[in-house]
Amino acid sequence: GAVVSQHPSRVICKSGTSVKIECRSLDFQATTMFWYRQFPKQSLMLMATSNEGSKATYEQGVEKDKFLINHASLTLSTLTVTSAHPEDSSFYICSARRRTGNNQPQHFGDGTRLSIL
Amino acid sequence: SQKIEQNSEALNIQEGKTATLTCNYTNYSPAYLQWYRQDPGRGPVFLLLIRENEKEKRKERLKVTFDTTLKQSLFHITASQPADSATYLCARGVFSGGYNKLIFGAGTRLAVHP
Repeated sequence: GAVVSQHPSRVICKSGTSVKIECRSLDFQATTMFWYRQFPKQSLMLMATSNEGSKATYEQGVEKDKFLINHASLTLSTLTVTSAHPEDSSFYICSARRRTGNNQPQHFGDGTRLSIL
Repeated sequence: SQKIEQNSEALNIQEGKTATLTCNYTNYSPAYLQWYRQDPGRGPVFLLLIRENEKEKRKERLKVTFDTTLKQSLFHITASQPADSATYLCARGVFSGGYNKLIFGAGTRLAVHP
């Protein structure tokens, strides 16, 4: 069964709306979670690394004020797309890695399809 | 920069045949490569990890190789089935910004025909 739960699976909203996406690790504690964005037929692009109890680390070119990340506990990270615009429409996916071992696989949520009208 | 390149064209094969997907990387060899499967509208699912000092790794009908001379990993599915149809992603580990992260290739879409 799924070990990472992502919610909601789909969001359609008007331009200017802020959208919050939740990512939960269900059966393990994750000190590190990752947020990706994927456009059709393209690779997963890492947006930021979410760290429990500290500020997220953003990849180059990703606006910190636009994509707010909060890793409130060892099982929950949230991504808020603030004042979303049509160009923010994409498939957002989170992943979590178990605490032990940095080369361990990442467990992915099923993604959130965000459509901004 | 550290890149992962996968054949962007779809691979079409007949059921029962062996599918072989290619992953090439640039720059220095990563400590490990990971392979994932992604179905449409879903998140990737981990399949296999192979370390730099391992030439080959197997799991049921799956086999992965790691050739540091060619800077290449091959992913094989033997006795392929229509249910194997999906996009397969290759990823390399990188250490950046104080964290171990993954850089993904664009993926290769596999279609297995009955």
